[in-house]
Amino acid sequence: SQQGEEDPQALSIQEGENATMNCSYKTSINNLQWYRQNSGRGLVHLILIRSNEREKHSGRLRVTLDTSKKSSSLLITASRAADTASYFCATDAVGALGRLYFGRGTQLTVWP
Amino acid sequence: SAVISQKPSRDICQRGTSLTIQCQVDSQVTMMFWYRQQPGQSLTLIATANQGSEATYESGFVIDKFPISRPNLTFSTLTVSNMSPEDSSIYLCSVADRGVRTEAFFGQGTRLTVV
Repeated sequence: SQQGEEDPQALSIQEGENATMNCSYKTSINNLQWYRQNSGRGLVHLILIRSNEREKHSGRLRVTLDTSKKSSSLLITASRAADTASYFCATDAVGALGRLYFGRGTQLTVWP
Repeated sequence: SAVISQKPSRDICQRGTSLTIQCQVDSQVTMMFWYRQQPGQSLTLIATANQGSEATYESGFVIDKFPISRPNLTFSTLTVSNMSPEDSSIYLCSVADRGVRTEAFFGQGTRLTVV
């Protein structure tokens, strides 16, 4: 399977703390994308990092990519209660023609 | 980013019946996909909806169960046929374009419950 694995499966923190989620995958990729999902609704696109990039920032989000280890991390700084959601990584594998393969996700809970 | 409208947003259906889900995009897109998210699980790709030709299905999914249409570059439908309770899931439409921007965007999903 091309699907990745994410850890932790669940993460519970206080507001203001940082949250780090990790994603590993199995095949060569064109890019890796991170998504947020609130309560089983649609997915919100957070950030895309290409295979030739090592780090990317967007607001309070920081994503790293290590293609030699086939892993990525998502860091949310200064978390807020509104960040409570499920977070998924998805890989766009080489030759997959845009099809995405998702990790199992991390359920993040931020307590006020 | 593309605006994706999915209908219906939710439905409760009797087993043995079929439901057609619609996905409308506000701009022409190269690629459209359908995903399934079973309760408490991650997303699994069902198929790529190809404009003007038969969809390309992933392993474990077949056309007889999940017929897909894509008559143009802005619209697609997914039908869940002969439903059973195991088909209860969220079904999501996704779009992407090849080119400078390659992000994939998702509709709000259709929450299907089969009773």
